[in-house]
Amino acid sequence: AQSVTQLDSQVPVFEEAPVELRCNYSSSVSVYLFWYVQYPNQGLQLLLKYLSGSTLVKGINGFEAEFNKSQTSFHLRKPSVHISDTAEYFCAVSEGAGGTSYGKLTFGQGTILTVHP
Amino acid sequence: DTGVSQDPRHKITKRGQNVTFRCDPISEHNRLYWYRQTLGQGPEFLTYFQNEAQLEKSRLLSDRFSAERPKGSFSTLEIQRTEQGDSAMYLCASSSRGNRNTQYFGPGTRLTVL
Repeated sequence: AQSVTQLDSQVPVFEEAPVELRCNYSSSVSVYLFWYVQYPNQGLQLLLKYLSGSTLVKGINGFEAEFNKSQTSFHLRKPSVHISDTAEYFCAVSEGAGGTSYGKLTFGQGTILTVHP
Repeated sequence: DTGVSQDPRHKITKRGQNVTFRCDPISEHNRLYWYRQTLGQGPEFLTYFQNEAQLEKSRLLSDRFSAERPKGSFSTLEIQRTEQGDSAMYLCASSSRGNRNTQYFGPGTRLTVL
């Protein structure tokens, strides 16, 4: 079984400042890692994913994340945020190659990013 | 590609009533997932279909919940004898055979049980 911990429930930041949203996971098997964004009253949109290869993953809207296997982390970063980045962000994990869980996602509790002018 | 659609978007019902939600996945996506999201929490897995076969169910899916995907296309999630604790956002997601590790989510159905 996997679990995901998002270390900050809320992150306030000023526009054009850098931001990091932290995510740690726990798993006894190899994993795939994902970040999703959710705007109010909407479904989830995939920002980026790590399946294999380079540990630095670039996604949409200028976001990137780095997979750190030794620290079991997958932190999300953006060098300069915009007002429109205000949303809730979810880190998620699924079993990696050879897993038997059919790709089901286990999510963290979410981090609300609020960008102030 | 019109994305995953869900109907209705909002449902208000009284305790004890039955409700049914529909999910239309992206065309040709053979995998379909249902998740439930309560306020302030991340989504939790409920069940998974590969084509028409329901291959996994969470322990969260009590006997009052049933899901179907009769022809391997759209899916329905029914909740019988609703309880106030069923109030949540119900999310559907789909993925394709060629890109099975990427799930695309619908807008969700928000259920309120009074």
